[in-house]
Amino acid sequence: QVQLVESGGGVVQPGGSLSLSCVASGFNFINYGMHWVRQSPGKGLEWVAFIRHDGGDDYYADSLKGRFSISRDDSKNTVYLQMNSLRAEDTAVYYCAKDGIWSGYYPTGGYFEHWGRGSLVTVSS
Amino acid sequence: DIQMTQSPSSLSASVGDRVTISCRPSQSISNYLNWYQQKPGKAPKILISSASNLESGVPSRFSGSGSGTEFTLTISGLQPEDFAIYYCQQSYHTPLTFGQGTRLEI
Repeated sequence: QVQLVESGGGVVQPGGSLSLSCVASGFNFINYGMHWVRQSPGKGLEWVAFIRHDGGDDYYADSLKGRFSISRDDSKNTVYLQMNSLRAEDTAVYYCAKDGIWSGYYPTGGYFEHWGRGSLVTVSS
Repeated sequence: DIQMTQSPSSLSASVGDRVTISCRPSQSISNYLNWYQQKPGKAPKILISSASNLESGVPSRFSGSGSGTEFTLTISGLQPEDFAIYYCQQSYHTPLTFGQGTRLEI
C-alpha cells in the first residue's frame, strides 16, 4: 500500500533553515506529482508547494515563494522541502501528499490522494 | 486567491443522523472540489474528489454534490467513526485553498 514518511522536522530559530524529506513507497513514484501541505497548531490546512511528476516544474503558495523550495530525487523515491528564512508563523505540521492524477503536469485539477503522518516544524527562539 | 467558506463551522449530531456540510467558493470552480476527513492527531483523508467522485474504500454513506459556487457533503446514517473535522478544497486555481473546516461532534 502507499506509504509516505516525512522526516527532518524539529525546532529552529527564526531566520534559520530546515530541510524536510518524504520517502514514498507502494506506488510508481516517477508517475506522480507531489505536494507539501502544512497545518498550523489548532488551525486549518494550507497548501505549500507542488512538484511535477518529472520534476520539470514546481509551484508555490505566493507567500512562500523565494523562501521555500521543493525538489525530488526519483532514484530515492523522495521529495524534499527546503525552508529558509523561517518565521514564527511557519510553525506547523508539514505533510507530504501524493497527487491523485497520473502524470499530472499541474497542481490544479487533482487532489491529495495519500498523506504522510506529518513532521512538526517549530520556529522559536 | 479563491476563498472557501464552509458552513456550519461546527455541527452536533447523533449516530444514525443525516448531515450536510456546505462549501462555497468565492468564485466558480466548475467541479474542482474535494472533501477530506481529519481525525485528531491524524493526517486528512480524501473522501470525495471532483465534487462527487467517491474515493476507493470510502463508505457509500458519504456523498458529494454541486458545481460552480455551491457544494455539499452529505453523510447518511452517521457512524461513531464519522465524528471528525471535514474540509473542502478547491483545485481549480493556484494557490490551492481549503475551507476552514467543519467540526462534526456528538
